[in-house]
Amino acid sequence: EPEVTQTPSHQVTQMGQEVILRCVPISNHLYFYWYRQILGQKVEFLVSFYNNEISEKSEIFDDQFSVERPDGSNFTLKIRSTKLEDSAMYFCASTRRGGTDTQYFGPGTRLTVL
Amino acid sequence: GQQLNQSPQSMFIQEGEDVSMNCTSSSIFNTWLWYKQDPGEGPVLLIALYKAGELTSNGRLTAQFGITRKDSFLNISASIPSDVGIYFCAGRNMNRDDKIIFGKGTRLHILP
Repeated sequence: EPEVTQTPSHQVTQMGQEVILRCVPISNHLYFYWYRQILGQKVEFLVSFYNNEISEKSEIFDDQFSVERPDGSNFTLKIRSTKLEDSAMYFCASTRRGGTDTQYFGPGTRLTVL
Repeated sequence: GQQLNQSPQSMFIQEGEDVSMNCTSSSIFNTWLWYKQDPGEGPVLLIALYKAGELTSNGRLTAQFGITRKDSFLNISASIPSDVGIYFCAGRNMNRDDKIIFGKGTRLHILP
């Protein structure tokens, strides 16, 4: 069964450094999302992406964040200058048609900012 | 923004018991979702509900979309050890945006 994959599974970085989290959505999916989950808390929406542009973003997704689909398979989340409070699990999700289509989540990348 | 209140926060039950958890919203959703998250993994969709009053089953799981569109419950019957995990309710609102809003989760513990 096709699934969303994410790399790395765990990323440790120093405060102020840039990180890029990578996702490979399911191959025929067209809508892509990033969510984050701070340890012990709920999953929070960050951004949705369709047709090479951001559809919607939350207040968490400030100027330090950016997303990109650099090729036909990868979908990346970049944090330009990490802060301690960016430490969280970051989940990528994708759907084929958006709207009420089921969003399939990847296994997540655990980001630890020291 | 929209808030989801999920209860209880955690549950300790005996294997074989039935479980019930619910979610309420400050405003209307047009889709209710229930996800399960195992440690170190992403949320996995259990049940999706699209119409007010809808009652849907998936094996031992049953969920309902409340008539008011502001609540939903999930029941698990005859719990087994692999049911352990965190259960999240989630919803999509009436606008066109398709982002999912999650509740804080119910952590289910099963005693042998």
